[in-house]
Amino acid sequence: DIQMTQSPSSLSASVGDRVTITCRASQGISNYLAWYQQKPGKVPKLLIYAASTLQSGVPSRFSGSGSGTDFTLTISSLQPEDVATYYCQKYNSAPFTFGPGTKVDIK
Amino acid sequence: QVTLKESGPVLVKPTETLTLTCTVSGFSLSNARMGVSWIRQPPGKALEWLAHIFSNDEKSYSTSLKSRLTISKDTSKSQVVLTMTNMDPVDTATYYCARMIRIAARPGWFDPWGQGTLVTVSS
Repeated sequence: DIQMTQSPSSLSASVGDRVTITCRASQGISNYLAWYQQKPGKVPKLLIYAASTLQSGVPSRFSGSGSGTDFTLTISSLQPEDVATYYCQKYNSAPFTFGPGTKVDIK
Repeated sequence: QVTLKESGPVLVKPTETLTLTCTVSGFSLSNARMGVSWIRQPPGKALEWLAHIFSNDEKSYSTSLKSRLTISKDTSKSQVVLTMTNMDPVDTATYYCARMIRIAARPGWFDPWGQGTLVTVSS
């Protein structure tokens, strides 16, 4: 099975900072990668699919990039409402594995 | 509006079999592009994908849990059912179902998700 890793596991940044989260697949998955945001106590929400396509309604400060094995999620200007855990997930084929998550909070 | 709602027991005993139902609305399980997955999340831990069923009844399972899982669907009732045998306290988690849409006959992403149901395994 393809394994998904994320780094860092957690980060603390100031409001307005640029934040970058990395996701790595153990084998190439083309651009079959999604990013989800899960706020505390809430249901995961789709942010980005196809590695870089922003889901409708998601603020433009979120962006994704990458292909193959290395992917990034960037928040261009961190806002208080972005406090959450972010998960990447591969969907090229089953198993549809999630990464371990990156917890983002405000410094 | 597309919605998914999980239902099932809140408490199961060790060694028992868990049966969860995901009732969907706003789309048909017979639509060739539609599929539903089950995903779980132990308290304070990460998301774990469990199983998926496509409209053509093709099924996929987590490698580590495959021997304990069965996924099925009842299109007429708009329901997807997951059974997990031999439950253990480590299986305590919130269990979610989520829709997947095939894109160009390939798997897609999960959207939307159900609200989740917390299942506790304890004697």
